[in-house]
Amino acid sequence: NAGVTQTPKFQVLKTGQSMTLQCAQDMNHNSMYWYRQDPGMGLRLIYYSASEGTTDKGEVPNGYNVSRLNKREFSLRLESAAPSQTSVYFCASSNSGTGFIYGYTFGSGTRLTVV
Amino acid sequence: AQSVAQPEDQVNVAEGNPLTVKCTYSVSGNPYLFWYVQYPNRGLQFLLKYITGDNLVKGSYGFEAEFNKSQTSFHLKKPSALVSDSALYFCAVRDPNRDDKIIFGKGTRLHILP
Repeated sequence: NAGVTQTPKFQVLKTGQSMTLQCAQDMNHNSMYWYRQDPGMGLRLIYYSASEGTTDKGEVPNGYNVSRLNKREFSLRLESAAPSQTSVYFCASSNSGTGFIYGYTFGSGTRLTVV
Repeated sequence: AQSVAQPEDQVNVAEGNPLTVKCTYSVSGNPYLFWYVQYPNRGLQFLLKYITGDNLVKGSYGFEAEFNKSQTSFHLKKPSALVSDSALYFCAVRDPNRDDKIIFGKGTRLHILP
């Protein structure tokens, strides 16, 4: 059971470079999320997608864009990376509506360093 | 607005002793409450949830949590701690009358001392 798969696991970027973090889930979940985790800050929501074809901003969307390519895939793009975006990024997915009682399933994370 | 607070950044417990990790929440309706655990260099793993019913819920690895509506708390407990329980623990809340987003606490690092 793959669950939620994130690629890459590690990445080092130079300031100003761009990259896309990939996320795919095989649980037929409707909703997908991108979080960043920073020491002492917990998890902060960047963007989410309640269903295929829709995306919405979360708590910290500046500097990021997302694409819900299909029901399975939800990518996060950094157009011009900044050192403040050094973080661990987690993708998650869930059922919606009454199916949400099972909460989120998380990927294993992408550790991004911007120098 | 919904929110969740974990008042302790770190909790130290001797192996074999009972442990408690505290969580309080604020939502406008009846909450969905969750605990997740994160081991080093790993993603978050689901431990347990409260949706409705019995206030004491049991989860993975011998953990349990008690929902207290009057105190708006959902503390995580375990009767006898193991060194392998050392990890980062997150409490989370969702207001089911709103959208599907979960709000996470800042996390509590649990150290079990041998």
